[in-house]
Amino acid sequence: DVKVTQSSRYLVKRTGEKVFLECVQDMDHENMFWYRQDPGLGLRLIYFSYDVKMKEKGDIPEGYSVSREKKERFSLILESASTNQTSMYLCASSTAGQGYSPLHFGNGTRLTVT
Amino acid sequence: DQQVKQNSPSLSVQEGRISILNCDYTNSMFDYFLWYKKYPAEGPTFLISISSIKDKNEDGRFTVFLNKSAKHLSLHIVPSQPGDSAVYFCAASARGNNNDMRFGAGTRLTVKP
Repeated sequence: DVKVTQSSRYLVKRTGEKVFLECVQDMDHENMFWYRQDPGLGLRLIYFSYDVKMKEKGDIPEGYSVSREKKERFSLILESASTNQTSMYLCASSTAGQGYSPLHFGNGTRLTVT
Repeated sequence: DQQVKQNSPSLSVQEGRISILNCDYTNSMFDYFLWYKKYPAEGPTFLISISSIKDKNEDGRFTVFLNKSAKHLSLHIVPSQPGDSAVYFCAASARGNNNDMRFGAGTRLTVKP
């Protein structure tokens, strides 16, 4: 079974803090993703990466950056946390190449910015 | 720009009956559709998918129907069980591009014993 592990289940941070959300997958997947889930909005893509050191912006990248130094690890960084970044953050991974493959998600990190 | 829409935020059914969850999409380039199930405090898990070359895909109690002309898909669960109570997300992507997968807002299904 694919395992996607997010390092924290719950985080509480103050406005202006720099926040790191970590994600590790164990299936040698090429693609990794960061989504946020908000009520009534579903899952929205923040950033994705299709290879080490490669990254692409998703729909809502503002206020976020990412880092992928190793294939198995994808980090989401909030440079200066704001209250509107309070949300559930979900990391996912998938295989690349031809055809279709579903995303495999971690259990999420619920971030509260006060 | 909500390209994938789930217009029912919640659905309640009796155990043993059929649950029908609906999803509409606007982008005619979508050709791969998925349903994910999410329990509280867990990430979404893949449930079932369908490509646009089919109009039906079945996996046990779960069947997904695709109506391309109406840009509509539905998930049928028969018979519904209390353990099916969860939030269900519809998702769609185009040309095998997982990097551009769009999700609906989700429907919370409650199956009553």
